[in-house]
Formats: sequence, C-alpha cells, structure tokens
Amino acid sequence: AQSVTQLDSQVPVFEEAPVELRCNYSSSVSVYLFWYVQYPNQGLQLLLKYLSGSTLVKGINGFEAEFNKSQTSFHLRKPSVHISDTAEYFCAVITPGFQKLVFGTGTRLLVSP
Amino acid sequence: DTGVSQDPRHKITKRGQNVTFRCDPISEHNRLYWYRQTLGQGPEFLTYFQNEAQLEKSRLLSDRFSAERPKGSFSTLEIQRTEQGDSAMYLCASSSPARTDEQFFGPGTRLTVL
Repeated sequence: AQSVTQLDSQVPVFEEAPVELRCNYSSSVSVYLFWYVQYPNQGLQLLLKYLSGSTLVKGINGFEAEFNKSQTSFHLRKPSVHISDTAEYFCAVITPGFQKLVFGTGTRLLVSP
Repeated sequence: DTGVSQDPRHKITKRGQNVTFRCDPISEHNRLYWYRQTLGQGPEFLTYFQNEAQLEKSRLLSDRFSAERPKGSFSTLEIQRTEQGDSAMYLCASSSPARTDEQFFGPGTRLTVL
C-alpha cells in the first residue's frame, strides 16, 4: 500500500517570494507522482506529473517539482509566487497499471502582498 | 473538451434521506472515478468504472452507497439513508484509453447532511 505525507498543512509566504511545498511518499513498488491544485469550491487541476525520465518536472503556472528516489520525495517549487497562487495543493501517487490515486492531506499556500 | 461536469454542485439534505449525484465525463473517456473529500483531507478513492463495468470498490463504499454507469457514459452515485458523516465533497474524474495516467477532475458535489 502507498501513502503520501505532506508535513506542512499551511505555508504562508509573501508575494514574489520563492516557495517549496514538501511531499514524501511510501511505496514498495514504483509509482507515478502528481501535484494537483484546488482553488476554493472547485475540483482538482493537474499541475505536473512524474512518470519516468528526467527527475526535474516542469508544470503549469511556473511550478516545478523534483523527484528524489533515494529520499522518496517529490517537492513542489516556484521561484516567485503570485497572490493568485493561493490555493490548496495536493501531492498524489499511483501505481502504474492501477487506477487509485492516493493523496496527501494537502498544503494550503497563503500568499500575501 | 467541455471538461468533467457534476450535478448538483451543492446538496443539503436531512439525515435519513436518499441523494443521487450525477457525473458526466469528458467525451470518449472510458474510465470514470469517484472520490470523496472530507474537510481538511485529501480525496479518497471510492470506485472506478471502465466503460459500464465497475471494476474496483473501496472499503469506504458501504452498503448504503451505490454507483452505476449504465451506458458507459455518465455515472450516478447514490447514497441511501444519509448520515452526518456522509457530509463531504464528492469528486468525479475521468481518463482516456490512451492516457490512463492522467485523471481529469470535475468541480465536485458538496453534500451537507443536517
């Protein structure tokens, strides 16, 4: 069984500052990794995903994430955040060939002016 | 693509009542998924369909829950004899045959059981 840990429930940051949202996972088999964003009262939107290949993955809205197999991590980063990035961010994993996404508990990013 | 749509967006009901939610996936997506998200938590998998066949159900899906996808297009999720613990956001997602690694989510149905 897989599990995902997002240690930071909330991350406050000032506009134009860099941010890193942490994600660690546990799995006995290889997994695909995802970051989703959820704006208030909306569904989930895919930011980026790692399936294989380069460990640095670039996504939408200027976000990127780095897969680190030895540390079982997939941290999300953005060099300069905007007010509009305020949202809930979820890290998720899935076992290739299976259908169930397993999500972390989410990190609320709060960007203030 | 018009995206995944869900109806209703909000539902308030009294304990003991039955409710039904509908999900319309992206056209030609043959896989459809239901997740439940409670306050402060990430979504949890409930069930998934490939075409009209329901291939996996979570232990979270008690006997009071039933999901159908009769013609392999839209899906319904029914909760019978609702309980306050059923209050949550119910999310639907779909994926295409060619890209099963990417699930596209709808806006969700928020259920409040009084």
